[in-house]
Amino acid sequence: ETGVTQSPTHLIKTRGQQVTLRCSSQSGHNTVSWYQQALGQGPQFIFQYYREEENGRGNFPPRFSGLQFPNYSSELNVNALELDDSALYLCASSFATGSFEISPLHFGNGTRLTVT
Amino acid sequence: AQSVTQPDIHITVSEGASLELRCNYSYGATPYLFWYVQSPGQGLQLLLKYFSGDTLVQGIKGFEAEFKRSQSSFNLRKPSVHWSDAAEYFCAVAVSGSNSGYALNFGKGTSLLVTP
Repeated sequence: ETGVTQSPTHLIKTRGQQVTLRCSSQSGHNTVSWYQQALGQGPQFIFQYYREEENGRGNFPPRFSGLQFPNYSSELNVNALELDDSALYLCASSFATGSFEISPLHFGNGTRLTVT
Repeated sequence: AQSVTQPDIHITVSEGASLELRCNYSYGATPYLFWYVQSPGQGLQLLLKYFSGDTLVQGIKGFEAEFKRSQSSFNLRKPSVHWSDAAEYFCAVAVSGSNSGYALNFGKGTSLLVTP
């Protein structure tokens, strides 16, 4: 089975610019989540998508937005980039059955974003 | 809110020695707990998880963890460490669970160094 893949692997942007990060979910997974991992910190939950709708959001401003496509791939968009947005952005996918069930999250290797 | 604390930022052990990484959780009911490992430049790999039942859970790569409600702990152990175990280890608790998924609150991580 194909794992979670993210692109690009590295990206350098200037403060104020906009960025789009992409994620392909693991085959058979229908839920995708995004996490931000600052240097030396644990990952922080940004938001989750299920059936193309946002299904939960962490403590991130609206300039962080996302999309999930019918094939369950996903994008993370960040507008008006700030220096503190420099981080590793991780995508994770899982399969939700529609009944409460904890299925493990499968993470990609991340996109390293540097804002200068 | 549910959270986890990893008291040790760095731990150094000799190859072949035993290992214990500490994790304390804050949650009133029975939490859903996870341990993930992250090698440099990589995403997160699930080592093991605890949902309910037997309080000693076995994971991959020879790791195990024990859930202790009385101590609000979920410590990770390995009887004999290999040089390839050097990595960052994260404890996490599931939050915001629903029929369509959940988010993870991660600790800040423990960096493991293995010496010859």
